[in-house]
Amino acid sequence: DVKVTQSSRYLVKRTGEKVFLECVQDMDHENMFWYRQDPGLGLRLIYFSYDVKMKEKGDIPEGYSVSREKKERFSLILESASTNQTSMYLCASHGQSSGNTIYFGEGSWLTVV
Amino acid sequence: ELKVEQNPLFLSMQEGKNYTIYCNYSTTSDRLYWYRQDPGKSLESLFVLLSNGAVKQEGRLMASLDTKARLSTLHITAAVHDLSATYFCAVVESGAGSYQLTFGKGTKLSVIP
Repeated sequence: DVKVTQSSRYLVKRTGEKVFLECVQDMDHENMFWYRQDPGLGLRLIYFSYDVKMKEKGDIPEGYSVSREKKERFSLILESASTNQTSMYLCASHGQSSGNTIYFGEGSWLTVV
Repeated sequence: ELKVEQNPLFLSMQEGKNYTIYCNYSTTSDRLYWYRQDPGKSLESLFVLLSNGAVKQEGRLMASLDTKARLSTLHITAAVHDLSATYFCAVVESGAGSYQLTFGKGTKLSVIP
């Protein structure tokens, strides 16, 4: 079974703190994604990566950055967390081996106080 | 810019009844996905629709795709309480080889005994 693991399920951070959200997949997938989910807004794409060290902005990249130093790991970074970044963050991955299936992690609930 | 609209956004229905959720999208698409989300949980993949006229069924749920009308439907037959969840459609734009998804805002379904 493909696993997309988000190591931090629940975090509480203070305004201005630097926050790292980690996502690891175990199927050698090329593509990895970070989405943010807010009530009434659905899921919105923050950043995605199609290869190691490659990244592309999604629809709402402001206030975020990403890192992909290894193929299996895609990190979302909030350089200086703000209260409007309180949200649920979902990581996803896809690769040639998965056909059309896109796999999602369990989600990370971030509260910024 | 690809836009995905779902309706209704909220749906309360009695057990045993039938209903349809609609998903319209604004540009040509290679793939359309339906997901289910339970409260506090991640996304569960229901269907992937790839071509015009595609129809897929699983239990009481049936999804169809009309690429000419840019419309997908998720039909619920004889609803049961266990189907209560939020349902999302998501679209991959044609030519977007990276499998990035654009989501609708979701339909929150409540099935009342």
